[in-house]
Amino acid sequence: DGGITQSPKYLFRKEGQNVTLSCEQNLNHDAMYWYRQDPGQGLRLIYYSQIVNDFQKGDIAEGYSVSREKKESFPLTVTSAQKNPTAFYLCASRWTRQGDAFFGQGTRLTVV
Amino acid sequence: GQQVMQIPQYQHVQEGEDFTTYCNSSTTLSNIQWYKQRPGGHPVFLIQLVKSGEVKKQKRLTFQFGEAKKNSSLHITATQTTDVGTYFCAGLFNAGGTSYGKLTFGQGTILTVHP
Repeated sequence: DGGITQSPKYLFRKEGQNVTLSCEQNLNHDAMYWYRQDPGQGLRLIYYSQIVNDFQKGDIAEGYSVSREKKESFPLTVTSAQKNPTAFYLCASRWTRQGDAFFGQGTRLTVV
Repeated sequence: GQQVMQIPQYQHVQEGEDFTTYCNSSTTLSNIQWYKQRPGGHPVFLIQLVKSGEVKKQKRLTFQFGEAKKNSSLHITATQTTDVGTYFCAGLFNAGGTSYGKLTFGQGTILTVHP
């Protein structure tokens, strides 16, 4: 079955550590997105990529980094520079320029 | 900036009452999309509006896109307990040509339905 896989589902990190969230899709979609969700704030765009080896900053990119070395994969690194990293992170992909987004199940990151 | 504002943040209704959520963008959108997120889940696509003034219906749900392609609404008639969740609009900016565009979500409206 085609879809988007995010792993792990739950992640705990010590303050000051970098952590990488995985996002893999087998839908052959070109565009991929990372969103952060906090209670009462909806989904905020962190980074997005429209093609391999290219990506753009979203609205809250500070403290995060991404790579797009393969079409199927768009990992997100939460660096120690991110001041408030505890949140629910959602990865999405789109296959047409006017089309809708498919979401993964999300990763809930907690900084301890 | 390219932002989408959505109101209200919360809506509590009795089962059978109607519900409406509104979205507004300061700039023209390529299209607007609506998603539903159940508690503990991820957003799931409901519908997309592309044309100015477009109206679409899905059973008890009616979606509208403004004439200027800057605002949109979702109306649910006679809510049911299965309608609970968070409803998001998402505005697509600058899509076209070679660009997939920036998909920006509103803050969402959390709907609770009391039986």
